[in-house]
Amino acid sequence: DAKTTQPPSMDCAEGRAANLPCNHSTISGNEYVYWYRQIHSQGPQYIIHGLKNNETNEMASLIITEDRKSSTLILPHATLRDTAVYYCIVRVRGKLIFGQGTELSVKP
Amino acid sequence: DAGVIQSPRHEVTEMGQEVTLRCKPISGHDYLFWYRQTMMRGLELLIYFNNNVPIDDSGMPEDRFSAKMPNASFSTLKIQPSEPRDSAVYFCASSWGGDKYFGPGTRLTVT
Repeated sequence: DAKTTQPPSMDCAEGRAANLPCNHSTISGNEYVYWYRQIHSQGPQYIIHGLKNNETNEMASLIITEDRKSSTLILPHATLRDTAVYYCIVRVRGKLIFGQGTELSVKP
Repeated sequence: DAGVIQSPRHEVTEMGQEVTLRCKPISGHDYLFWYRQTMMRGLELLIYFNNNVPIDDSGMPEDRFSAKMPNASFSTLKIQPSEPRDSAVYFCASSWGGDKYFGPGTRLTVT
């Protein structure tokens, strides 16, 4: 199963873009990249997912490199409420295996 | 839809007691997952069901843990007997087509 690598923590100024990187160098051709976040004391929340193409929704944008070995989640205008742990996950056969994630702190 | 519903939200029990956690998935979802989260181990997948059938229970820690899904709208995770190391937040999630929606979790404390 593909593994993901993320920095353990990042800071971002309120109102600025938050760019969260993820490496998944062993990803296979049919494996999707998913991003979830978990705000303290809540269940994980789905953000976005993609296979090959870049994706955008109301929450974020997902940029996947052409070789698919890495991706970046972009929160275009981070707010204090975006402070959370962000998980980059490769979905294999219906299973989401969570790593340690990146703890994003948005500061005023 | 109310989302994934879990009960109880908090459970405190003594070592050796039986604990039953409950989950109601989102209507129409055909996958149901049980996760456990601790500070030490993070989020761990315990078991998941597809159309009420257990597909992969390789994450279940030991025989003290069992999960059932008698119908499409209800699942239980049972721990018997419970131990202090079972203390964690247990999340239930459901999905249809890939996007998982998590419940609020049950915080279990075994003393």
